[in-house]
Amino acid sequence: QKEVEQNSGPLSVPEGAIASLNCTYSDRGSQSFFWYRQYSGKSPELIMSIYSNGDKEDGRFTAQLNKASQYVSLLIRDSQPSDSATYLCAVNPYFNKFYFGSGTKLNVKP
Amino acid sequence: EAQVTQNPRYLITVTGKKLTVTCSQNMNHEYMSWYRQDPGLGLRQIYYSMNVEVTDKGDVPEGYKVSRKEKRNFPLILESPSPNQTSLYFCASSSLGGTGSQETQYFGPGTRLLVL
Repeated sequence: QKEVEQNSGPLSVPEGAIASLNCTYSDRGSQSFFWYRQYSGKSPELIMSIYSNGDKEDGRFTAQLNKASQYVSLLIRDSQPSDSATYLCAVNPYFNKFYFGSGTKLNVKP
Repeated sequence: EAQVTQNPRYLITVTGKKLTVTCSQNMNHEYMSWYRQDPGLGLRQIYYSMNVEVTDKGDVPEGYKVSRKEKRNFPLILESPSPNQTSLYFCASSSLGGTGSQETQYFGPGTRLLVL
């Protein structure tokens, strides 16, 4: 079982729609969770971090965390073609380890 | 400007020829890490360092070495590269939070390595 699982996609949504990206993790003791965006051939860049159960909103992005279900999601409202990228879920189960999912590719169609 | 730099950005080499990929950060971060990224496998941690002279293996350390003699630098060494080390490599750094947890990792631009 992988430490972090994501659907590889591609997930296609029309411009202006809500994109929903999901991630599950295996280490129940994990405390820190991150969403990164990666454009093709580029380095990952942080979108959101979340540490507590519930929702965290930042502009068009909302991260949702449910530790009981070991589930993290990212909602992108009013999706734009520039949001087309691969989204990586990352989990920090303890201080010296980071585990990344293989990423979900998002296509936003104009 | 806060950044992580890597050199070279692109490298083509032959099997067995030792190479070093440099990584440097200017944010005074304690934690530095190397990842490789392969299609379908995501980012996998090779080695990490909690501070100067403190390094440890990640999930895929075979065939790699690292050193941390200065806080800002964390080079990745391939003593005898093989074709299965062809990959995209990222260096990252972060500070450690008050409880020992990780703060956000910042990534370098990546090094694309081809071993023939």
